[in-house]
Amino acid sequence: NAGVTQTPKFRVLKTGQSMTLLCAQDMNHEYMYWYRQDPGMGLRLIHYSVGEGTTAKGEVPDGYNVSRLKKQNFLLGLESAAPSQTSVYFCASSRDRGRRYSNQPQHFGDGTRLSIL
Amino acid sequence: GQQLNQSPQSMFIQEGEDVSMNCTSSSIFNTWLWYKQDPGEGPVLLIALYKAGELTSNGRLTAQFGITRKDSFLNISASIPSDVGIYFCAGRQGSYGNKLVFGAGTILRVKS
Repeated sequence: NAGVTQTPKFRVLKTGQSMTLLCAQDMNHEYMYWYRQDPGMGLRLIHYSVGEGTTAKGEVPDGYNVSRLKKQNFLLGLESAAPSQTSVYFCASSRDRGRRYSNQPQHFGDGTRLSIL
Repeated sequence: GQQLNQSPQSMFIQEGEDVSMNCTSSSIFNTWLWYKQDPGEGPVLLIALYKAGELTSNGRLTAQFGITRKDSFLNISASIPSDVGIYFCAGRQGSYGNKLVFGAGTILRVKS
């Protein structure tokens, strides 16, 4: 059971380039999330999804777009990368807060380290 | 956005010592979670707390959900070298989207 898998693990971009980060989960989780982690700031939510075909903005959504075309995949896109987007990006997933499964914890991937020059 | 104040920012302790860290907020949370992150990996859930006043243990780790619902504490007893890492608290307020707010983390270094 792989859990949450992120690709790529590392990437270096030039300012203005675009790229897509892929997150895949095999736990049949309804909810998925993208975070960025910067030194001394913990994890900040970029976008999230409560189900296939739905997305919503988190705390720091500017400069990013997301798509959830399939339940198991959540893509994070940078259309025009900026140095301020240099960070470690984490994807997470969790079960729905249904009657029997309230307050489900989030499970994280191992991160994508992105540097923008 | 919402802020969780996590302290201390870092700790450097002797192997075998007990460790305490905490997280506070001006807002009420209905769930508190504690995660650990090892270098080059993603956060891994250690303990989840769902009720005010709840005290839960996981091996040498014990965490408590504060009665006011605005704070939580994590204790590690008899620390060992593999306890090194970053510990994050996270809180959840509402139910939609199951979203979390994270503290900035406590860096734990153990002197063997």
